[in-house]
Order: sequence, then C-alpha cells, then structure tokens
Amino acid sequence: EAGVTQFPSHSVIEKGQTVTLRCDPISGHDNLYWYRRVMGKEIKFLLHFVKESKQDESGMPNNRFLAERTGGTYSTLKVQPAELEDSGVYFCASSQDWGLAQETQYFGPGTRLLVL
Amino acid sequence: AQSVTQLDSQVPVFEEAPVELRCNYSSSVSVYLFWYVQYPNQGLQLLLKYLSGSTLVKSINGFEAEFNKSQTSFHLRKPSVHISDTAEYFCAVQAAGNKLTFGGGTRVLVKP
Repeated sequence: EAGVTQFPSHSVIEKGQTVTLRCDPISGHDNLYWYRRVMGKEIKFLLHFVKESKQDESGMPNNRFLAERTGGTYSTLKVQPAELEDSGVYFCASSQDWGLAQETQYFGPGTRLLVL
Repeated sequence: AQSVTQLDSQVPVFEEAPVELRCNYSSSVSVYLFWYVQYPNQGLQLLLKYLSGSTLVKSINGFEAEFNKSQTSFHLRKPSVHISDTAEYFCAVQAAGNKLTFGGGTRVLVKP
C-alpha cells in the first residue's frame, strides 16, 4: 500500500511568487491534514479536511494560503504571494475515519519550501 | 488549548547506552499522547502512542514511554541505543478535533 506522497520534495521561489504544494493521501483515507514546521520551531497544524470539506482551518496563518481538496482525494496548498516567513517544511498527513481521535495519522515526507 | 514541551533539543548518546527523551504537556482536557520519529530524509513515523489502559507503552524496536498523569509527562526511553536510532523525535498530544499539537523535537545523535 502506498503511503502519503507529497510533491514537490523541494521548492525554491522568490518572494512574491506563487507556489502550489500537492499531497496524495493513502487511498481510502477520509482525513487529510496539513502541518508546517518553520525552521527552529515546532510542527504546527494548519488545517484538516474530512473528505472534501474543511473541518478545521484554525491554523492557517493568513489569506495568502489556500487549501483545496477537490473530490475528496488529493489536496493542494497554494501560497500566493509567498513571503520570506513562509519558508519551512510542509507536511501532509492522512488518517482513515473521522471522529476517532485515536486514529493514527500517517505523514508524508514533506515539501521543503525556501522563499528568497 | 494544548501545549507540549520537549526539554532537550539535542541529546548526544553513545551506542549501547540508555537514552531518555523528556516530554511534558499542558491541557485542560484529556488527551492522547504520541511519539513520532523522523529519520534523516524521511517523513514522520509513529513510534508509539498512549490512548488508555496501561500507562507503559512499548514500540517494536525497543522504545517505551510512560504516561504520568500527575506530572503531565510522557517520557520516552530506550535502554540501549543503536546507530540506527539517530533521528529527530517528536512528542505530540491530541485532544478532540483530531489535530496534533507537537513539541519542538529532540535530535538524538548516537555516536559509535
């Protein structure tokens, strides 16, 4: 069974440009999460999808970030326009059933974003 | 809201020596507790978790953690480390709503 995959693995862009990160969860997982780790800080929650609906987007830093999950399968996270402080590692995770808090979240390898 | 503190950012340790990674949390509600590990150039992997029942939980590769409710701690231990245990370890808690709250991570460097 394939794990959570993320694309690209690395991205280097200039301030003001747009970047789109993609996450493919484990097949059949209803829950999809985005997290971010800024250098030197802890991993922080961004948002949570249940199928195609946003269940919790309390961690999204501002309106330059837009997440979508069309059809309840893969998800994209767009940053437009990117700022220097957006640099970090963006992790995606998925889990199977909503409502079961003890469901293990399976993480992807992350996308390393560097904004110059 | 929940918060997690990992008291050590880096822990150097010699091969075959024991290691303890400390984790304390704060929460006004009951939480589930997790340790994740990130090996170099890989994603986060679940190492072990505490949901309920026995306060001592173990992983398949020799790690164990003990939930201490009175001290709000979930320290991770291994009696004898291997070179392959070199990684970054993250303590996390989960309350209602499914999102994980992480500590800052502890880098373990196992020296020969």
